[in-house]
Amino acid sequence: DTGVSQNPRHKITKRGQNVTFRCDPISEHNRLYWYRQTLGQGPEFLTYFQNEAQLEKSRLLSDRFSAERPKGSFSTLEIQRTEQGDSAMYLCASSLLTDYGYTFGSGTRLTVV
Amino acid sequence: TQLLEQSPQFLSIQEGENLTVYCNSSSVFSSLQWYRQEPGEGPVLLVTVVTGGEVKKLKRLTFQFGDARKDSSLHITAAQPGDTGLYLCAGPNSGNTGKLIFGQGTTLQVKP
Repeated sequence: DTGVSQNPRHKITKRGQNVTFRCDPISEHNRLYWYRQTLGQGPEFLTYFQNEAQLEKSRLLSDRFSAERPKGSFSTLEIQRTEQGDSAMYLCASSLLTDYGYTFGSGTRLTVV
Repeated sequence: TQLLEQSPQFLSIQEGENLTVYCNSSSVFSSLQWYRQEPGEGPVLLVTVVTGGEVKKLKRLTFQFGDARKDSSLHITAAQPGDTGLYLCAGPNSGNTGKLIFGQGTTLQVKP
């Protein structure tokens, strides 16, 4: 297993466009998390899945954000009508059900111009 | 609301010096974790401390969990330029739903 994979690594988009990021977790991990991180700050929780069920969604996540995890495997995070304030690193992590130790991907850096 | 506060936020030292980073909360955590993150990469788990008063060592890094499980510290002995990065502490939320709460991080720069 090669760990958690995120694509793309970088995305530059114009304000108002839609973007979609993909995360492939470690195959045996039940839980998958999305976090957002700005430069020099700690990650902020966005949402998480246990298998295919989305169990929690942060109040930070406006209606423009949606995440899916079909069949409990990979996950996608979509941002509609992007705004400059959406510029950040979007991190995906996965873990086992019984273990809080996260394995993070390398992240997708989004720049909205 | 559970919060984790790290101090200092930024630390710049010379190679060979020792340093300590602190992670504090007014809430009790069942465990705390420390991660290190390099620029452009995701955080990497260094250690998990579970028992109040627990001390764990990882080469030149020493991690301690406070007796009351509200705080933790990371001590680095004889820092090296390879230790440069963002150090994050994190703990599970009170609902034990699997979600981790992160501190704001300590940026460490070790100059040769």
